[in-house]
Amino acid sequence: SQTIHQWPATLVQPVGSPLSLECTVEGTSNPNLYWYRQAAGRGLQLLFYSVGIGQISSEVPQNLSASRPQDRQFILSSKKLLLSDSGFYLCAWTVGGYNEQFFGPGTRLTVL
Amino acid sequence: KNQVEQSPQSLIILEGKNCTLQCNYTVSPFSNLRWYKQDTGRGPVSLTIMTFSENTKSNGRYTATLDADTKQSSLHITASQLSDSASYICVLREGAGKSTFGDGTTLTVKP
Repeated sequence: SQTIHQWPATLVQPVGSPLSLECTVEGTSNPNLYWYRQAAGRGLQLLFYSVGIGQISSEVPQNLSASRPQDRQFILSSKKLLLSDSGFYLCAWTVGGYNEQFFGPGTRLTVL
Repeated sequence: KNQVEQSPQSLIILEGKNCTLQCNYTVSPFSNLRWYKQDTGRGPVSLTIMTFSENTKSNGRYTATLDADTKQSSLHITASQLSDSASYICVLREGAGKSTFGDGTTLTVKP
């Protein structure tokens, strides 16, 4: 069966510090991978998606970046965090462009 | 204006009661409409998925409907349980990398 992992589960970082969130998927090959951010009480905002290794599409300009070094690994990074980067970050995957999307457990990021 | 509007924003019901959550959308065309349940601090979990040609889809006590003419979808929860307390999110999938999410309805089921 397929599973998706995210870590860390929670993170508290000072403003200006770097960020690295990791997402890995098991049990599937060549998935489409996604990074979302969810502000409190709001819907999910798509940040990045990837259809293959090294292929990243950005939906929203910001100080975040994403990388896909391996087929089932998706990394969200920042060189310098802002207060506005606080939120709940979710990784998701699909196989194919129109199929059901499965979400990871999420990472709660607090920037102080 | 959000292209996927959910109502009500929040809802409180008593255990055992039924409820209906609404999703109005302007996204067109779309390939499928999905309802997710998101427990606090967790990732969303899929409840139902309907293509634009489907009218209804059930998953246990959850039944989703879709009216493409009025561009409305609803999620009906029957015989609510305490564990149904969560946020329910309506999502329209437009393309390979594009989904539009509603802000969700927060449901609280009280004993």
